[in-house]
Amino acid sequence: DADVTQTPRNRITKTGKRIMLECSQTKGHDRMYWYRQDPGLGLRLIYYSFDVKDINKGEISDGYSVSRQAQAKFSLSLESAIPNQTALYFCATSGGQHNEKLFFGSGTQLSVL
Amino acid sequence: AQSVTQPDIHITVSEGASLELRCNYSYGATPYLFWYVQSPGQGLQLLLKYFSGDTLVQGIKGFEAEFKRSQSSFNLRKPSVHWSDAAEYFCAVGGGYQKVTFGIGTKLQVIP
Repeated sequence: DADVTQTPRNRITKTGKRIMLECSQTKGHDRMYWYRQDPGLGLRLIYYSFDVKDINKGEISDGYSVSRQAQAKFSLSLESAIPNQTALYFCATSGGQHNEKLFFGSGTQLSVL
Repeated sequence: AQSVTQPDIHITVSEGASLELRCNYSYGATPYLFWYVQSPGQGLQLLLKYFSGDTLVQGIKGFEAEFKRSQSSFNLRKPSVHWSDAAEYFCAVGGGYQKVTFGIGTKLQVIP
């Protein structure tokens, strides 16, 4: 089984719909991240969480919200999806401090029509 | 604010030739620095990282990177490129109590 699991793998939705992307990890890591990847723009940080009670905005948090339900679970919501949120979304985890290697999920390809 | 600049969006090299991918960073303290690779349709895999110690870091798949504090650079190198190295490469900075920030990536094409 994968260490970092993202669901769904692919999603097509319509403008204005609410959508949730889920991420779960079996690494036992405290730190979790949501990134989006767009061609030519690399990975941009949406939100990150250093523990269950810690939520921080990243570079591009507008239009997104997150929930850290447990150490192992970190979900990303688009309250009212718009077409420019079409992207590949990655969840990642790390052990923090001197164990900063990021472990990535396989990604969720989201298309907003 | 921390940031990463990868000035080369695309690079094409011949198989067997040497490779250097450039990365410059901005960070307020001693940085954690990383290089990740993404093959088509895949997630990101860590090639190597630097935090302290020897400024020349060895990674997987024959890659190495050199940290130069005076130039705020962390360039990735490989002496002889293989066709399987064709991928997108991302430099990143962060760690400790800071988030991890990525550059925009460099796409590497390898020609026979």
